Amino acid sequence: AQSVTQLGSHVSVSEGALVLLRCNYSSSVPPYLFWYVQYPNQGLQLLLKYTTGATLVKGINGFEAEFKKSETSFHLTKPSAHMSDAAEYFCAVSGRGLGGNTGKLIFGQGTTLQVKP
Amino acid sequence: EAGVAQSPRYKIIEKRQSVAFWCNPISGHATLYWYQQILGQGPKLLIQFQNNGVVDDSQLPKDRFSAERLKGVDSTLKIQPAKLEDSAVYLCAVQGSSGNTIYFGEGSWLTVV
Repeated sequence: AQSVTQLGSHVSVSEGALVLLRCNYSSSVPPYLFWYVQYPNQGLQLLLKYTTGATLVKGINGFEAEFKKSETSFHLTKPSAHMSDAAEYFCAVSGRGLGGNTGKLIFGQGTTLQVKP
Repeated sequence: EAGVAQSPRYKIIEKRQSVAFWCNPISGHATLYWYQQILGQGPKLLIQFQNNGVVDDSQLPKDRFSAERLKGVDSTLKIQPAKLEDSAVYLCAVQGSSGNTIYFGEGSWLTVV
């Protein structure tokens, strides 16, 4: 079984400050891990993903995340927040099937990022 | 990146009425998914198709929800009769060519009153 916990439903930062959104997962198989962003009235856009290899992954818009197996974490960071980063962020996990990603994403509850001027 | 078009984008219906949503991905995506996203929650998988066949519909409320995938490309999701708790965003998604990434459409917003 797999699950995702996002710590903090709301995070508020000042423009230019560090962004840290926390995600912990549970998985009985080696996981695929994802961060998606959702802007108001829009669908989900992939920010970044971890499949295999390098544990520090870089995504779009200056975001990155580090897979830490020992801590079962996949926290999302950005060195300097921009007003346009205000959105809902979802961490997700899926398992590995015979053909690769099973594709069955298990999402966390989401974290709303507020960026103050 | 995959293109996934969904329609209608917004729908308001009364409880006990029916509604249908369409998903039109660009061709070449064998695996298609429908997710339900209730306000304030993360999306939850309703059904997964591989080509024309259903791989997983364990979370689909089959007494009121149905879905099909025509010719392994387009898909429809139907709700009949709708309940108030069906108010949500219905997201269609496809698996990318690498097999590791799921791409989502813009979603169909349903409000049941």
